Amino acid sequence: DIQMTQSPSSLSASEGDRVTITCRASQSIGSHLCWYQQKPGKAPNLLIYSISTLQTGVPSRFSASGSGTYFTLTISGLQPEDFATYFCQQSSDFPLTFGQGTKVEI
Amino acid sequence: EVQLLESGGGLVQPGGSLRLSCTASGFTFSNYLMTWIRQTPGNGLEWVSGIGRTTYYADSVKGRFTISRDNPKNTLFLQMNGLRAEDTAVYYCAAYCLTNNCQVGKFDPWGQGTLVTVSS
Repeated sequence: DIQMTQSPSSLSASEGDRVTITCRASQSIGSHLCWYQQKPGKAPNLLIYSISTLQTGVPSRFSASGSGTYFTLTISGLQPEDFATYFCQQSSDFPLTFGQGTKVEI
Repeated sequence: EVQLLESGGGLVQPGGSLRLSCTASGFTFSNYLMTWIRQTPGNGLEWVSGIGRTTYYADSVKGRFTISRDNPKNTLFLQMNGLRAEDTAVYYCAAYCLTNNCQVGKFDPWGQGTLVTVSS
């Protein structure tokens, strides 16, 4: 199975800050990397797929990059609605696997 | 509007069974590989099972859970037998990719989730 490791597990930031979350895969996953945002009591919501393609409706302050086994999600100019938990997920092979999540707190 | 709606969760004793349903609307359900994902109280996300032309299972549920679908009724199912305390979670259904072109896999959309609690 492909293991996904996110860091940090949590971070504190202020409105307007730029934050970066990293995700490492235990083996190369090509371009098959997605990012999700989850708010308390809600289902996760797709933000980015294929490493860096923003899902329709996702603000441009979200960006992502990476290749092979190392990937990043950056939020430039944190907004109040961005305080949430973020998960990476590999779609290279079954079983599909997620990172453990990064909670972005005020 | 694209929507997935799960039902069937509840409290069940260890060793018991439960059947989850997920009804889709707003997209061509039969064209998609559909999946179940669960989230434990500790907040980790675990993919559980998927069904397209074939079925896929996580090792943790293989032999106990069975995924199926009724395309005319736009409904996905998860039959869960031999339930264990560690199966306690919120269960989500989600569309994953087109059955005939799964080059880009992504969980979208998601349902709102249904809570399964396994406890005596």
